[in-house]
Amino acid sequence: EAAVTQSPRNKVAVTGGKVTLSCNQTNNHNNMYWYRQDTGHGLRLIHYSYGAGSTEKGDIPDGYKASRPSQENFSLILELATPSQTSVYFCASGGTGREQYFGPGTRLTVL
Amino acid sequence: QQKVQQSPESLIVPEGGMASLNCTSSDRNVDYFWWYRQHSGKSPKMLMSIFSNGEKEEGRFTVHLNKASLHTSLHIRDSQPSDSALYLCAASVTNYNVLYFGSGTKLTVEP
Repeated sequence: EAAVTQSPRNKVAVTGGKVTLSCNQTNNHNNMYWYRQDTGHGLRLIHYSYGAGSTEKGDIPDGYKASRPSQENFSLILELATPSQTSVYFCASGGTGREQYFGPGTRLTVL
Repeated sequence: QQKVQQSPESLIVPEGGMASLNCTSSDRNVDYFWWYRQHSGKSPKMLMSIFSNGEKEEGRFTVHLNKASLHTSLHIRDSQPSDSALYLCAASVTNYNVLYFGSGTKLTVEP
């Protein structure tokens, strides 16, 4: 099965601070995704990437940036964190078959 | 408007009973449906996928798809307490490696 890891697993940040969430996959998948999960909203797509150097906006990109420096790594950046960005963030990777494999998640609290 | 709608929001079934979950898409370009299961505090994991009209069975799990109405359903027979989880339905569009998730159905199987 695909191996996707995320760091940190838990993060407490202050309003206005910068937060970087990291994701690494060892399956050589071209596609990587960042979601947030809030009660009642399922998984909402923030940014995704089709390969190193590419990033695309998902359904809720405002307030987030993404970076894909290599095939294995995909980062989500909150330049100015706000309390509304308190959530659980999941990274996923996927190949040509469209099935996605999820990392363990990062719980972010913005105070 | 959310592209994927799931019902019911929550469902309680007795151990050994049948659980039936529903999912519909409003996008006529959808060609593939996925069912993911997420246990509390864990990441989503793919359960089953379907793209052809009809049904697909894997053990205690059966998925139905009606492509004309873009409706899929997941049925779990002989439900077990370990089946208690959030069930997420996702849809994808031809040649587009992005999944659109519904808000989920929370299933509780009572011993």
